[in-house]
Amino acid sequence: GEDVEQSLFLSVREGDSSVINCTYTDSSSTYLYWYKQEPGAGLQLLTYIFSNMDMKQDQRLTVLLNKKDKHLSLRIADTQTGDSAIYFCAERPNDYKLSFGAGTTVTVRA
Amino acid sequence: DAEITQSPRHKITETGRQVTLACHQTWNHNNMFWYRQDLGHGLRLIHYSYGVHDTNKGEVSDGYSVSRSNTEDLPLTLESAASSQTSVYFCASSEGPTLSYGYTFGSGTRLTVV
Repeated sequence: GEDVEQSLFLSVREGDSSVINCTYTDSSSTYLYWYKQEPGAGLQLLTYIFSNMDMKQDQRLTVLLNKKDKHLSLRIADTQTGDSAIYFCAERPNDYKLSFGAGTTVTVRA
Repeated sequence: DAEITQSPRHKITETGRQVTLACHQTWNHNNMFWYRQDLGHGLRLIHYSYGVHDTNKGEVSDGYSVSRSNTEDLPLTLESAASSQTSVYFCASSEGPTLSYGYTFGSGTRLTVV
């Protein structure tokens, strides 16, 4: 996970937007992913973006990709208490192995 | 429904003992992976397999081994458990070669070595 970097913590007020940032190192990465981990559970795929895209929107989630800066972000609109979790960014270079960041713990406060 | 299951969910073992964690998937995926999750490190790859009889070392493979005798199972063995191997272990699988949907993860095994 050392090649993918994320900030470790984010606190957001309920109803506001959350933005989680990630930088990756492998310019050959073909897919980039966001996973969500709730307490005591495994990782669940939230969304992914192909490297030839700049943006992907899926309901309250917006993924932005800046390939030049190798920067990926996940925006959650209208953040709810159920969004409290750890969010992992992952990159996939040209083989099948994913490299994960350390995870960003998102805390939603009332 | 297809699934990926890990067992046991929790395990306490003593230093020096051999421990095997099970991973079973019914997705018929060729690719299977073992990760460990530690605070501040995220997920680190231990071993992986791209098919039956294929196994490969990941970035933190020392002290661990795997074998792949069929498509469904990739058991992870700790040869001689050490306290540094206390962690949460996740198994994952994926189809190949498209991989657009990433991995499917199991629910994890929390291992404590005392």
